[in-house]
Amino acid sequence: GAGVSQSPSNKVTEKGKDVELRCDPISGHTALYWYRQRLGQGLEFLIYFQGNSAPDKSGLPSDRFSAERTGESVSTLTIQRTQQEDSAVYLCASSRGAGYNEQFFGPGTRLTVL
Amino acid sequence: KQEVTQIPAALSVPEGENLVLNCSFTDSAIYNLQWFRQDPGKGLTSLLLIQSSQREQTSGRLNASLDKSSGRSTLYIAASQPGDSATYLCAAMDSSYKLIFGSGTRLLVRP
Repeated sequence: GAGVSQSPSNKVTEKGKDVELRCDPISGHTALYWYRQRLGQGLEFLIYFQGNSAPDKSGLPSDRFSAERTGESVSTLTIQRTQQEDSAVYLCASSRGAGYNEQFFGPGTRLTVL
Repeated sequence: KQEVTQIPAALSVPEGENLVLNCSFTDSAIYNLQWFRQDPGKGLTSLLLIQSSQREQTSGRLNASLDKSSGRSTLYIAASQPGDSATYLCAAMDSSYKLIFGSGTRLLVRP
């Protein structure tokens, strides 16, 4: 594909349920990032992958959040026992490598926790 | 801890005006600075990337400058058009390769 894709585009769930959000980066991009944007707030970093390893998980807000990446490609962000404050747009980005390279963003997944 | 601030928070200009959006950051130890636009309900579109060793980058009607020593970047938009209406975000890449975003400038270009 030409760009970063994310699925689903929208997800509505009930409080307490688990959700999985998927990101397909641009082919050949070794670095992958997750960010989130809560309503009326700026983007905040969640986690960064270089290849399949995550050297920086510092942005994950709680142990209910986890992410994995396989085959240096697709990544899944999992939120367990969702809470209303988890409602946000979750954005994924990829780049050719870390550091000097431009990050390209997907369209995001809008998560609503009722 | 890196903090990024954007001024103004909102801007409304008539079509055809040249305008400047400001971004400041507190820690000059950045790898690069990236400008994005965000349209309502959509993801981010990358506009310009300035490496820490560069002073400016240009793309069409857009010009972005970077002054690391003063912790400032500006995005200059020439001959603004209604299609430029969007939220503009700047983001500084810190030493751990994550982008730290400002809160954005909401631009409205009136026909």
